[in-house]
Amino acid sequence: NAGVTQTPKFQVLKTGQSMTLQCAQDMNHEYMSWYRQDPGMGLRLIHYSVGAGITDQGEVPNGYNVSRSTTEDFPLRLLSAAPSQTSVYFCASSPNRGQWTEAFFGQGTRLTVV
Amino acid sequence: LAKTTQPISMDSYEGQEVNITCSHNNIATNDYITWYQQFPSQGPRFIIQGYKTKVTNEVASLFIPADRKSSTLSLPRVSLSDTAVYYCLVIKAAGNKLTFGGGTRVLVKP
Repeated sequence: NAGVTQTPKFQVLKTGQSMTLQCAQDMNHEYMSWYRQDPGMGLRLIHYSVGAGITDQGEVPNGYNVSRSTTEDFPLRLLSAAPSQTSVYFCASSPNRGQWTEAFFGQGTRLTVV
Repeated sequence: LAKTTQPISMDSYEGQEVNITCSHNNIATNDYITWYQQFPSQGPRFIIQGYKTKVTNEVASLFIPADRKSSTLSLPRVSLSDTAVYYCLVIKAAGNKLTFGGGTRVLVKP
């Protein structure tokens, strides 16, 4: 039972580089989301998806793209990395049954942009 | 979404009960209260959720007064492994979006 799997766990990028953070879940959850967490702060929502083919912006979407071609995968793309995007990124999934259910989080990707 | 306010940090000792109070004055009728726990270098983990009165599970209890403007997470007989950040969140019944505040850093000492 893998749950939510994020890869890579650590990444260092140079300013201007692009990359994709991977997120996969094996629980058949409709809802998936990406958060970033800066040191000493709570998580902030970047993008989310309520199902395959549907994505929407969260609180801090600038500089990031997402797509949801399958139920299982929800990759996060950094278009042109900036030092301000240095953070820990968490992917989460939850069922979307019309009432609240708990979210399951991955272990995170620690990204450093130099 | 209702804004939440909780203490920045709390210290406790092994075996003691830890109570963390969260204020959410503008909670709406269809909002639920939920708590997450986060250990260093890990993603948050769901602890407990409630709407009113008291909810208890194997990990914690959640007390919600009648006006629902605050809630208290109670961790019984904490151990060193309960050292973590605890987040209080208010979410809509049909919602999945989570809005995290700064959380409460709980340090359990031997």
